[in-house]
Amino acid sequence: AQTVTQSQPEMSVQEAETVTLSCTYDTSESDYYLFWYKQPPSRQMILVIRQEAYKQQNATENRFSVNFQKAAKSFSLKISDSQLGDAAMYFCAHYTGANSKLTFGKGITLSVRP
Amino acid sequence: SQTIHQWPATLVQPVGSPLSLECTVEGTSNPNLYWYRQAAGRGLQLLFYSVGIGQISSEVPQNLSASRPQDRQFILSSKKLLLSDSGFYLCAWSLMLEAFFGQGTRLTVV
Repeated sequence: AQTVTQSQPEMSVQEAETVTLSCTYDTSESDYYLFWYKQPPSRQMILVIRQEAYKQQNATENRFSVNFQKAAKSFSLKISDSQLGDAAMYFCAHYTGANSKLTFGKGITLSVRP
Repeated sequence: SQTIHQWPATLVQPVGSPLSLECTVEGTSNPNLYWYRQAAGRGLQLLFYSVGIGQISSEVPQNLSASRPQDRQFILSSKKLLLSDSGFYLCAWSLMLEAFFGQGTRLTVV
């Protein structure tokens, strides 16, 4: 079975600072994808960043980057130069083509202090 | 372009009443389809997913069921709602590299 664990329910960061959100996962598959999604108060789910498990290079999207540690099954999200608009709930997710199952963690609520 | 429609946006139903939430996808064929529930302030719980017409995988038991009568239609149902069925329901589709979500349905069972 595949599971995604986000152990921190809440985090806070000062505007313009950097914050790292943690995520670990468990899977028996060798080919899978990992995602971070953002859910603002509107409840709309927004893809932040994606990582293919077969790629060793960490994905980067502007101020967002990941630290993908495949052996440790860890997938953390780093947000640099935090902005007020980054305040939201963030979900880590795992997808495997073997069964097409897309599993999310419990999410973490990020607040940004002005 | 691909779009996903989910309705209704808000629903208030009495305990014991039936439920039918519908989700349709446009602009793609044979998508993977998903139903999630998000309780207040909590994570996304996978309820059902489908890789094709009539193919449903269930992650949670009992009171809810799902059907996929057409390639791009996914329906979440219940014969008798419980108070614990209240929550925010999200439909999603994916083609592996990204999942796209509907606007969600806020269900309140009273």
